[in-house]
Amino acid sequence: GESVGLHLPTLSVQEGDNSIINCAYSNSASDYFIWYKQESGKGPQFIIDIRSNMDKRQGQRVTVLLNKTVKHLSLQIAATQPGDSAVYFCAVFSGSARQLTFGSGTQLTVLP
Amino acid sequence: DSGVTQTPKHLITATGQRVTLRCSPRSGDLSVYWYQQSLDQGLQFLIQYYNGEERAKGNILERFSAQQFPDLHSELNLSSLELGDSALYFCASSVDPEPGGTQYFGPGTRLLVL
Repeated sequence: GESVGLHLPTLSVQEGDNSIINCAYSNSASDYFIWYKQESGKGPQFIIDIRSNMDKRQGQRVTVLLNKTVKHLSLQIAATQPGDSAVYFCAVFSGSARQLTFGSGTQLTVLP
Repeated sequence: DSGVTQTPKHLITATGQRVTLRCSPRSGDLSVYWYQQSLDQGLQFLIQYYNGEERAKGNILERFSAQQFPDLHSELNLSSLELGDSALYFCASSVDPEPGGTQYFGPGTRLLVL
């Protein structure tokens, strides 16, 4: 089955700096990738997604990069703000296997 | 507020017991997903229903079952509870039939098995 791992369980950045959260997946047939943000005491919240026919997608202050060759996914947050402090999960979906697998999460802490 | 509601917010029960968690999806969403989140396992996808039918299955134990009713609300039944079942249980909903669509999560039910 699919395994999804994040490179760092915790990440601390200075307010205003850019943040990069990385995720690796194992199944080359995975075709849809999602990033979620979970604030303390709340359910996960959708941030941005990308399909396997793309390698980059941008949202408001966030960019997702997909490298299918090395099966790697990253979330970039520009000008990180205190409100960005949360746990970030990547999720990987394989349509052929009908499997949705979440990574273990990276705790992002924004320092003043 | 995602528009997804879950009840109860907290549940404390004993080993061997059975509980039912309830979820109401966002208005118009036909898909309901159930997840388990524990400290050591992260967020685990359990099962998805779409318009009353089971659509996708994840790491759901045989002691667990779910269903989606004609009004689209869903229930997750957990039986023969064990200490290790203590976790946050999230429900999510989406418009799409595919698990890969954008999902909106509820606030969760915190289950404690003593």
